[in-house]
Amino acid sequence: KQEVTQIPAALSVPEGENLVLNCSFTDSAIYNLQWFRQDPGKGLTSLLLIQSSQREQTSGRLNASLDKSSGRSTLYIAASQPGDSATYLCAVRPDSGGYQKVTFGTGTKLQVIP
Amino acid sequence: EAGVVQSPRYKIIEKKQPVAFWCNPISGHNTLYWYRQNLGQGPELLIRYENEEAVDDSQLPKDRFSAERLKGVDSTLKIQPAELGDSAVYLCASSSWWAGDAYEQYFGPGTRLTVT
Repeated sequence: KQEVTQIPAALSVPEGENLVLNCSFTDSAIYNLQWFRQDPGKGLTSLLLIQSSQREQTSGRLNASLDKSSGRSTLYIAASQPGDSATYLCAVRPDSGGYQKVTFGTGTKLQVIP
Repeated sequence: EAGVVQSPRYKIIEKKQPVAFWCNPISGHNTLYWYRQNLGQGPELLIRYENEEAVDDSQLPKDRFSAERLKGVDSTLKIQPAELGDSAVYLCASSSWWAGDAYEQYFGPGTRLTVT
């Protein structure tokens, strides 16, 4: 059974700092990994999706990397802003030739202090 | 392009009452998911549809939960009767397989259910 862990559970940083969020998974047979952000009381917004054949994806100030062999993904946020404050979740889709139950981590709650 | 639409956004009911949630996925998305998210946790899959077929409902408490997606478009999730432990946010998501899309999931805003 795939287990997805995100550490730390919460993070507080001053505005302008670069930061890294971590996502670890136990089964390396994955199809893709997706990073989301969730604002309080809202649904999930997709940030980046990395295919198993890729090592990283970039969108604006966000960069996500994937190391399947070590079961890790990181989300790098450059020059953090107060608007980045949210909970960030990663989700792993297995490479199982058809059955595609996605497993989510419990998230990292980020607070960027002005 | 319209996103995933869910209604209602909030619902407060007494235990033992029924409740229903509605979801309209992104146009053209053949896969629809219902998730339940408890406070401080990641979403957990309740049921997944491929078109109108439920292909994964192993986590759906079938004694009180039911779902349908009759025409392969919008979907309804029902709880009857509701219990205190059902209080959570119910999220709907959709995805489609197109070249380069890779089953990327798009979520609706969710329905926050409070059972008193």
